[in-house]
Amino acid sequence: DAKTTQPNSMESNEEEPVHLPCNHSTISGTDYIHWYRQLPSQGPEYVIHGLTSNVNNRMASLAIAEDRKSSTLILHRATLRDAAVYYCILRDGSNTGKLIFGQGTTLQVKP
Amino acid sequence: DSGVTQTPKHLITATGQRVTLRCSPRSGDLSVYWYQQSLDQGLQFLIQYYNGEERAKGNILERFSAQQFPDLHSELNLSSLELGDSALYFCASSRPGLANTGELFFGEGSRLTVL
Repeated sequence: DAKTTQPNSMESNEEEPVHLPCNHSTISGTDYIHWYRQLPSQGPEYVIHGLTSNVNNRMASLAIAEDRKSSTLILHRATLRDAAVYYCILRDGSNTGKLIFGQGTTLQVKP
Repeated sequence: DSGVTQTPKHLITATGQRVTLRCSPRSGDLSVYWYQQSLDQGLQFLIQYYNGEERAKGNILERFSAQQFPDLHSELNLSSLELGDSALYFCASSRPGLANTGELFFGEGSRLTVL
C-alpha cells in the first residue's frame, strides 16, 4: 500500500484558513486521495476525496498537485469544532478499496 | 449520525474471555470494514467483507474472526482476550458500486476493556 506523510501537528486560529499538507510520492495511477478526520471520542468522518482534479465540497477543498505526489486539504475558515486528527489516505481504486490509516495530523484551533 | 450502528458501546471483560461485537451497516451498503484503534497503534485495518464474502484481510490476529450475515450485519469475534486487546473497535460501511472509491461511513465504535 502506498504511504502518505503528514506533519504530526498543526495549529490554527479560529476563523482563519488552514492548509493541511500531505505527501504521497509513491502514489499509483489507480489511487484515490482520501481525507478523513476524527474528532475526540468519535469514529473517523469522511471529509473529501479526489483523483486528479481539485475538489470542493461543503466541508473543505482538496488541492492536488499536477504530478499527484502531494495534496493539500484546505479548511476555509477553521472553527473550534474542526479540531481533530486529519488523515490523508491513498485508496486503491482497482483493488479492495480498504483504507489504511497513517498517524495523521492533529489540528489545534485556537480561539 | 453515520447510519452505522455498533453494539455494545462499552464492554469490560477479563483476560481469556470471548466477546462478540456487532455492526449494522447503513441500509443498502454491501461492504463492511472492521478497524481496531489502540493508543499505541493508531487505526489498524482488520478485515473487510463484501456481500457476505471476505474481501480483504489486514492485521487481524488468529484469535479474532469475523463474518457478514445474509442481512449484511457483521460480527467480530475476539477470543482468548489479552490485556493488549483493549481498544476501540470501529465498523464502517460503504455504498455498493463505490466500494473502492467512495466514502466510508464509520460507526461510533465499541470500546473494549480487558482486565
